[in-house]
Amino acid sequence: DTEVTQTPKHLVMGMTNKKSLKCEQHMGHRAMYWYKQKAKKPPELMFVYSYEKLSINESVPSRFSPECPNSSLLNLHLHALQPEDSALYLCASSQTPLPYEAFFGQGTRLTVV
Amino acid sequence: QKEVEQDPGPLSVPEGAIVSLNCTYSNSAFQYFMWYRQYSRKGPELLMYTYSSGNKEDGRFTAQVDKSSKYISLFIRDSQPSDSATYLCAMSADGNNRLAFGKGNQVVVIP
Repeated sequence: DTEVTQTPKHLVMGMTNKKSLKCEQHMGHRAMYWYKQKAKKPPELMFVYSYEKLSINESVPSRFSPECPNSSLLNLHLHALQPEDSALYLCASSQTPLPYEAFFGQGTRLTVV
Repeated sequence: QKEVEQDPGPLSVPEGAIVSLNCTYSNSAFQYFMWYRQYSRKGPELLMYTYSSGNKEDGRFTAQVDKSSKYISLFIRDSQPSDSATYLCAMSADGNNRLAFGKGNQVVVIP
């Protein structure tokens, strides 16, 4: 099983809403990542969790709040987003904190209205 | 100079042709090299992973890394319409959590 599962697949939210994106993997990977991808651009790293601890925050605005409840789950809590935050949000995992052979989920397509 | 350079294309080829993609990079610390395939509105799918220099083959796909030239390549033999996608190169260095991506190269295989 080389699957990273993300829910929901699509999300439309208003600028005053609070929502959460979820990511799950059962490969025993110890590093999990959140990326943001705009159309026709490569993924941009947002956060890295290594052994369930936040190891990298790429200066992401506080309206994005990550959480790693256990080694299989990763959440991204969203609050007071802006329309420019609309993008494909990708979760990834890798066996070690080195991101080679990182496996990506299918993403959550987020639209902020 | 960007860390990773990749010509975004698009690249159109007839079915059955060989697709040749490449990336150049500037960071000599990169040791791990990946190619991802991304279909429209989907997440990237890991195709090939190579450590340091050399070649790796998997079915119709061949990845090559030339660290002396800081140049990596992906070849797709006997291309199929289902190979139509965006191909992203990515690389990382030891002790570094970050993947450096190329811009992605859109490939269209025409039946």
